Amino acid sequence: DTGVSQDPRHKITKRGQNVTFRCDPISEHNRLYWYRQTLGQGPEFLTYFQNEAQLEKSRLLSDRFSAERPKGSFSTLEIQRTEQGDSAMYLCASSLVSSNDGYTFGSGTRLTVV
Amino acid sequence: AQSVAQPEDQVNVAEGNPLTVKCTYSVSGNPYLFWYVQYPNRGLQFLLKYITGDNLVKGSYGFEAEFNKSQTSFHLKKPSALVSDSALYFCAVRDINGYGGSQGNLIFGKGTKLSVKP
Repeated sequence: DTGVSQDPRHKITKRGQNVTFRCDPISEHNRLYWYRQTLGQGPEFLTYFQNEAQLEKSRLLSDRFSAERPKGSFSTLEIQRTEQGDSAMYLCASSLVSSNDGYTFGSGTRLTVV
Repeated sequence: AQSVAQPEDQVNVAEGNPLTVKCTYSVSGNPYLFWYVQYPNRGLQFLLKYITGDNLVKGSYGFEAEFNKSQTSFHLKKPSALVSDSALYFCAVRDINGYGGSQGNLIFGKGTKLSVKP
């Protein structure tokens, strides 16, 4: 296991299109998190899963955003009807619920909406 | 609500000199505190954490941080900076007694850009 993988690394899309990102966490990690990072800011929490259950969603996560983790392994984050304000780095992280350690982050997916 | 403040947008240090990157936090209960580093176009890498115990914690790449409960601070330090330390540094906090108990999410500061000149 080489860590948290995110795909794609970069995505350019036209405003109004739908996009989907994938995250593969560390295999034994039961927690999976999505964060969004814009230029000059720290990562902002979007949502997290424990196994397949989505336990918390930030108010930042509008109705156009949806996340799934159907089998408690990989997760997808979909943005519908993209807007220019959605342009950001989308970071995925994973952890063990029983651990006091920090999260292991993936390299992120950079979304540019034109 | 929990929050993290990194008062400096940028810290400039000469190579070989000591560095400090400041962080203060606010939580309703006891904090778990973390430092992460981010290189360009990369994800965040874990540096060190404070959970309990000794107030001075040591982490990766020669970094250390001191937890000060009375000042609610967790400043990152290194005795001798390297040019390769130049990166974005993020402080993060999790409130172990707040929402979700120990399951609370990490809240990040806005980051401090560290620039180490030769």
